Amino acid sequence: GAVVSQHPSRVICKSGTSVKIECRSLDFQATTMFWYRQFPKQSLMLMATSNEGSKATYEQGVEKDKFLINHASLTLSTLTVTSAHPEDSSFYICSARDRTGSKADTQYFGPGTRLTVL
Amino acid sequence: QKEVEQNSGPLSVPEGAIASLNCTYSDRGSQSFFWYRQYSGKSPELIMFIYSNGDKEDGRFTAQLNKASQYVSLLIRDSQPSDSATYLCAVNIGGGGNKLTFGTGTQLKVEL
Repeated sequence: GAVVSQHPSRVICKSGTSVKIECRSLDFQATTMFWYRQFPKQSLMLMATSNEGSKATYEQGVEKDKFLINHASLTLSTLTVTSAHPEDSSFYICSARDRTGSKADTQYFGPGTRLTVL
Repeated sequence: QKEVEQNSGPLSVPEGAIASLNCTYSDRGSQSFFWYRQYSGKSPELIMFIYSNGDKEDGRFTAQLNKASQYVSLLIRDSQPSDSATYLCAVNIGGGGNKLTFGTGTQLKVEL
């Protein structure tokens, strides 16, 4: 149980283009999903909290107009990196919060999306 | 002061030994604590969580929580080479949103 998928797993794009990443909770409903970014040899940095049916909450320093988040259903959240630049190249990881039973707010992570902007 | 601190390591232990990973946190209001394992190039994988003071065991893993000392640890018994990874401590500091704050991780190397 508690499986989270992410698509695509890897993407290479040209500078200036937009890239959409999907995050799905496969066997549970996730009212809240989180988007993280991880640069090499660094820890996870939370970018935003995605709430189903409402606007995402962005962490300080994260541009909401550049990183568009949509959480249209209880099992799907998307992150769109708009007008990507080489400095946006990173490992993007989503997590979904399982609030059922004894798991009590445990976050389960997707496999991540490695974005390379040329 | 960082909110969640871990020694970056690497921590090297021989195969079959007990690996002890430590984490301290700054916010006394923290309510829940998580250990994740992350292999190089992969996303974090939940090992276990703990909410109450004391020990919690799951197979070869034991999490220990001491809220008075603001300290949480993870013990790995009978360490295997496949346990070699970076171990991330995460704390739900509260304050709304149930966000997790992660430590920088401890790299564990289990040597043959």
